[in-house]
Amino acid sequence: AQSVTQLGSHVSVSEGALVLLRCNYSSSVPPYLFWYVQYPNQGLQLLLKYTSAATLVKGINGFEAEFKKSETSFHLTKPSAHMSDAAEYFCAVSHFGNEKLTFGTGTRLTIIP
Amino acid sequence: KAGVTQTPRYLIKTRGQQVTLSCSPISGHRSVSWYQQTPGQGLQFLFEYFSETQRNKGNFPGRFSGRQFSNSRSEMNVSTLELGDSALYLCASSLSGQAILNEQFFGPGTRLTVL
Repeated sequence: AQSVTQLGSHVSVSEGALVLLRCNYSSSVPPYLFWYVQYPNQGLQLLLKYTSAATLVKGINGFEAEFKKSETSFHLTKPSAHMSDAAEYFCAVSHFGNEKLTFGTGTRLTIIP
Repeated sequence: KAGVTQTPRYLIKTRGQQVTLSCSPISGHRSVSWYQQTPGQGLQFLFEYFSETQRNKGNFPGRFSGRQFSNSRSEMNVSTLELGDSALYLCASSLSGQAILNEQFFGPGTRLTVL
């Protein structure tokens, strides 16, 4: 069985401040981890994914995430928040040979001007 | 290149009715997955089709069914609708069957309201 837990359903940061969205995983097999973003009234868009090639993964829009096996974590960060980053963010896990994504409950990010 | 399209975008039904949702994947994509998104349960996997075959299924009752056509377009059907079926239904397509290799592209979803 595999699952992800996102700590904090709502996160608020000031514009220009560091963004940190937390995700911890549980998986009985080597996990593949993803971060998706969802803007209002839209589908999900892939930000980045970890597929064991490198533990530090860079994605679109200046986001990055680091896979830490010892902490079973895959936290999403961005050095400087922008107003356009306001959205809902989902962490997801899959494993080799499986198209199914298991999502976390999501974190709504609010940017304070 | 056109993205994933879902029709209709909004739907209102009453309890006991049935509904069919449609998904047209990106040209060339052979895998189509369906997800249900609700405020209480979040995003939950319904099923995945690849080359007209259901390859993976989530933990939903048999009222939820789907199919895929030879052109990779997919439909999902919900029979005997319940209030709890109100949700955003998202479709995602990818080239092949592995999310780790090929990005899943999501459509904008169909918002189903059951009264």
